[in-house]
Amino acid sequence: IAGITQAPTSQILAAGRRMTLRCTQDMRHNAMYWYRQDLGLGLRLIHYSNTAGTTGKGEVPDGYSVSRANTDDFPLTLASAVPSQTSVYFCASSEVELSPLHFGNGTRLTVT
Amino acid sequence: AQSVTQLDSQVPVFEEAPVELRCNYSSSVSVYLFWYVQYPNQGLQLLLKYLSGSTLVKGINGFEAEFNKSQTSFHLRKPSVHISDTAEYFCAVSTSGSRLTFGEGTQLTVNP
Repeated sequence: IAGITQAPTSQILAAGRRMTLRCTQDMRHNAMYWYRQDLGLGLRLIHYSNTAGTTGKGEVPDGYSVSRANTDDFPLTLASAVPSQTSVYFCASSEVELSPLHFGNGTRLTVT
Repeated sequence: AQSVTQLDSQVPVFEEAPVELRCNYSSSVSVYLFWYVQYPNQGLQLLLKYLSGSTLVKGINGFEAEFNKSQTSFHLRKPSVHISDTAEYFCAVSTSGSRLTFGEGTQLTVNP
């Protein structure tokens, strides 16, 4: 089934550790996004990529980095996790700007 | 920059009753508007979108929304809800060249 695969599904991480959240899509969409979802705050954009080889900062980029080496993969890295990064992280993709977003099922991350 | 406000964080209703989930936006330029639904432990799915044309937009699962430019609103409605409509609903706004901005979400709970 076409879509977005995120891994891991959930993770408990000690503060200060490095962590990479994986995201793979098989729809050949140009644009990909990382959001974090926090209660009462909705979804906030962390980083995005309009096409392979390019990335951009979203609303809350501090403490996170991304890369887009190819069309299908868009990993999100926390270099040194902090408790405020406890959240549910969603990867999404869209064919072009203003196309509907397709979401993965999320990664629930707890930083202790 | 654009912003979006969902006026109700929680909306409880009885099965087969009508429902309206309210969304207001702010933008100095033309907007594109979306409603997404999130079922428990899943990513978001597109319900409907307004890009241009008719201000009444019909989506999946019997939902519809009306774009009201003078009131800067995009309220979501369904004439008769089912238990299976229980989910969190997100309004989102975008403008040409900008990323999607999500509202805080409205939890719709349909009771028997």
